[in-house]
Parts: sequence; structure tokens; C-alpha cells
Amino acid sequence: GAVVSQHPSRVICKSGTSVKIECRSLDFQATTMFWYRQFPKKSLMLMATSNEGSKATYEQGVEKDKFLINHASLTLSTLTVTSAHPEDSSFYICSARATSGDSPDTQYFGPGTRLTVL
Amino acid sequence: RKEVEQDPGPFNVPEGATVAFNCTYSNSASQSFFWYRQDCRKEPKLLMSVYSSGNEDGRFTAQLNRASQYISLLIRDSKLSDSATYLCVVNKRSYIPTFGRGTSLIVHP
Repeated sequence: GAVVSQHPSRVICKSGTSVKIECRSLDFQATTMFWYRQFPKKSLMLMATSNEGSKATYEQGVEKDKFLINHASLTLSTLTVTSAHPEDSSFYICSARATSGDSPDTQYFGPGTRLTVL
Repeated sequence: RKEVEQDPGPFNVPEGATVAFNCTYSNSASQSFFWYRQDCRKEPKLLMSVYSSGNEDGRFTAQLNRASQYISLLIRDSKLSDSATYLCVVNKRSYIPTFGRGTSLIVHP
């Protein structure tokens, strides 16, 4: 299957700092990437849909100024958590949608980034 | 009503058992359907797509019932390694995915 990488895998930061998470599709081009967060024992919550070369579409209740998304190329999307607070601590996962092949609407997930804000 | 609903379980079964999960969805315009597997503190991994004609992959069988708006996953001859959370994913026309909260499966010796 297609491979998606995410970096960093784990980050611990102080309250008030900004954290950037990268999501890369390694062996395919992805015009669309998705960003999720997941709290323990809860389902994935879609935060935003990121389309290459255009502004991200945020889900209701997600602050666009707090969670900055940039999708500058067909293989890279970044999520920046600005002025992080302890309540932002979560598991952040990206996925990329394959735009060609047998299942163009299948998503492939990155390994996730565990963010802890102290 | 939630867009995608799953029984969270846990389903606790012995090795070798057959277990089935259902997932219902509310949007009749939904276009594509998937089952993912998620292990604790890991990312979801695609298990299989779900088609109207049904599809089988080894011990796993998935079915879609559009009329009743549900999909199912059947696991035969359960292995210890099948223990995980199984996520139902439904895509709307714009390929925006909606996840169920997952069904937890525990296979014991």
C-alpha cells in the first residue's frame, strides 16, 4: 500500500509555543490530505481537509487561526499548532488520499504525532 | 443521530471464533465504504474496502447493504492478533470521510 510519513512522532512542548507537524506522501501524489485528532479511547475527529495549492477547509468548531495548515506541494502538508495549550495535547494523524490507482478515494494514514503540552 | 454508528463493544471472543460487526450510516448519498483496523496508540490501517457485491479477503468478509444503510465485517477463525479496534469509514460524495467510533475486539486464548 501507499506510504505516508509524519514527523515528528512525538513532541513535548511548553504552553505558548508553536508546533509544526509534517505529513508526506512518499510514493504517490496526494492532492488532498486530511488532518485528524484523536483523544484516548475516542474516535478520530476530522479537523480539516487540505487541498494542494488552496486554503484548507476546516470542520465546524476548529479554529483556523490556531491550527494553521499549509499544503504547498502534492506530497507535503503541514499542520502548525500555534500558541499550544495543555488542552491541545492529543494524537494528531494525517492521511492522504490517493488520486489514482484502483481506489482513488482510499486514505492512507501517517503514523501520527503525539503532542504533549506542559 | 450520528452519521456513522458502531457498537463500541468490547467483543470478547475465544480464538477460533467467528465474530461480526455492524456499522450503520445516516447519509444515503454516501459513496464509498471501508473498514480500518487501529491498534492501541497507532494509526488506522486499511483492512478492506466494502462493495455492494460483498468482498472477501482470507478470513475477513465485508458486506454493504445500501437499502438498510449498513455495512458489516465478519471475521472467521479469530486469531489473537486480530485484537484491535475496527473502524467503519463512510465517504460522502466529496470523498470527505466520516469515522465511526470503532468497535473493540479482544480475542483471548
